[in-house]
Amino acid sequence: EVQLVESGGGLVQPGGSLRLSCAASGFTFSSYWMHWVRQAPGKGLIWVSRINGDGSSTSYADSVKGRFTISRDNAKNTLYLQMNSLRAEDTAVYYCARGSAYSYGSFDYWGQGTLVTVSS
Amino acid sequence: QSALTQPASVSGSPGQSIAISCTGTSSDVGGYNYVSWYQQHPGKAPKLMIYDVSNRPSGVSNRFSGSKSGNTASLTISGLQAEDEADYYCSSYASSSTIFGGGTKLTVL
Repeated sequence: EVQLVESGGGLVQPGGSLRLSCAASGFTFSSYWMHWVRQAPGKGLIWVSRINGDGSSTSYADSVKGRFTISRDNAKNTLYLQMNSLRAEDTAVYYCARGSAYSYGSFDYWGQGTLVTVSS
Repeated sequence: QSALTQPASVSGSPGQSIAISCTGTSSDVGGYNYVSWYQQHPGKAPKLMIYDVSNRPSGVSNRFSGSKSGNTASLTISGLQAEDEADYYCSSYASSSTIFGGGTKLTVL
């Protein structure tokens, strides 16, 4: 059974940093693109970042470029999102999602999400 | 890039059919056959319902179908059931990124 479990969320002050983790199981982690998607309270889904299977290719939404860094440790089956220079508008539930092996751009499994709150 | 455009809400009675539209541009919806649809119940993670415009993942009811014409994609739900009440989001691949729609709240009357 595919499982994605996020952790690392919490309350952080503006300008602060946080690192999210996503532990994956039930599939060959290194074979899949992985993504981070966020959802502000009461708002819609926003794609944040993606990384390919061996970590050699990454992409970011313009809103987080230069502040967030996606990475992965295939030996630990874990995806990361390092978030620096956090702003109030980064407040959201952050989901990790697996890129579908059959479709370029869809996400076939999602974690339960971890809440990041940026506030003083 | 701007979010794809979806109606804020749609409604229908049990047994009826409804359609949710998703309008983008030639750089996203119109440029690729990589439109997906997700269902999200309150407090839950999104669930993939349709990928590549019209394909259903294993386990998704055949009451859900997708299509695309030009820069607009559509999700149709036939034989509405109470458990279909949820938020629905479209998404499209767009040059090394993914763009989501603003979401549509489906109410089953």
